[in-house]
Amino acid sequence: GENVEQHPSTLSVQEGDSAVIKCTYSDSASNYFPWYKQELGKRPQLIIDIRSNVGEKKDQRIAVTLNKTAKHFSLHITETQPEDSAVYFCAAGSTGAGKSTFGDGTTLTVKP
Amino acid sequence: NAGVMQNPRHLVRRRGQEARLRCSPMKGHSHVYWYRQLPEEGLKFMVYLQKENIIDESGMPKERFSAEFPKEGPSILRIQQVVRGDSAAYFCASSPDGPGDSPLHFGNGTRLTVT
Repeated sequence: GENVEQHPSTLSVQEGDSAVIKCTYSDSASNYFPWYKQELGKRPQLIIDIRSNVGEKKDQRIAVTLNKTAKHFSLHITETQPEDSAVYFCAAGSTGAGKSTFGDGTTLTVKP
Repeated sequence: NAGVMQNPRHLVRRRGQEARLRCSPMKGHSHVYWYRQLPEEGLKFMVYLQKENIIDESGMPKERFSAEFPKEGPSILRIQQVVRGDSAAYFCASSPDGPGDSPLHFGNGTRLTVT
């Protein structure tokens, strides 16, 4: 089955700096890669997703890149703000697959 | 659209009792997933269901755990004879299409405490 590894497990940045979180996956059939943000005590919520037919997608301060050959994808947050502090999860899924496999999460702390 | 509704939000059970967790998916969503999250850990897949069918239960323990998604009514995750290790947050999610085609919409979770 699919295996998703996420790094780093914790990340601390200064407000205004950029943050990058990386994930690798094992199943070459995976073609859908969402990212979720989970604030303390709350539910995970989708922040951005990318499909395998594109290499990059951007939404304001958030961008995701995908390298299908190397089987890795990354989340980039620019101009970080304290409210970006949360746990971020990557996931990988494929059409017809039984589940989305999640990475173990990255705890991002943005220091004011 | 009310979103994914889970209840109860908090559930306390003594060891050996049964826990029933309920999940109503978003309107128009026929795919339901259950994930378990231990404190400060990731989301671990348990089971994926479509109406009346279990599609993938590879993440669910073979004993004491069961799930259903009947034609009418919410999806139910049932844990029999709970043990302390079952204490966790259980999140339900739904999607309009399969997991490879659309994002998951999560409920607020049920926090199970076994005393």
